[in-house]
Amino acid sequence: ETGVTQSPTHLIKTRGQQVTLRCSSQSGHNTVSWYQQALGQGPQFIFQYYREEENGRGNFPPRFSGLQFPNYSSELNVNALELDDSALYLCASSQKRTSQETQYFGPGTRLLVL
Amino acid sequence: DQQVKQNSPSLSVQEGRISILNCDYTNSMFDYFLWYKKYPAEGPTFLISISSIKDKNEDGRFTVFLNKSAKHLSLHIVPSQPGDSAVYFCAARAPGGATNKLIFGTGTLLAVQP
Repeated sequence: ETGVTQSPTHLIKTRGQQVTLRCSSQSGHNTVSWYQQALGQGPQFIFQYYREEENGRGNFPPRFSGLQFPNYSSELNVNALELDDSALYLCASSQKRTSQETQYFGPGTRLLVL
Repeated sequence: DQQVKQNSPSLSVQEGRISILNCDYTNSMFDYFLWYKKYPAEGPTFLISISSIKDKNEDGRFTVFLNKSAKHLSLHIVPSQPGDSAVYFCAARAPGGATNKLIFGTGTLLAVQP
């Protein structure tokens, strides 16, 4: 069973640029969530994708967008990067059920915006 | 508005002793709680969870206690080992809708001294 993988591991961008982060979910998982973890903080929910559709969103502006593909992998896109977007971006996958499901996290992509 | 709070940024214990990590929450509608452990340069790793209908869940050295009246949960690690040294995050699931959104605390850095 393969775990959640993310790419790239590190990324440096400048203000105003656009970035795409990628995530492959754990085998058998159909739901992907994205989180932003700023330094010294806990992860904050950005949005979730289920069956290729956005399934809920946190308090993030529309310049944060995503995609989920038929193989359940996912992308997070951030447009018009700002300095405050510098953070660790975490992807988590789960198998959606009616009862509680546990989310399993990837190692994250560390984004630095200069 | 911090709905999940971990008021102790750090904790130091001796190897073999008990580690107790605390977490408070404000939303009585949370229905599921989880603890994650995070090493530097890795994503959070799921440790243990508890449903809001239970007051205790045990898995090996790890036990989570839930006190709903006090809106408080704790993670007990017995006996503590140096490999347990990491940041521990408490998370709560926000119910309602289709989204399995987790709300995280800010984390507690546990240092287990040999």
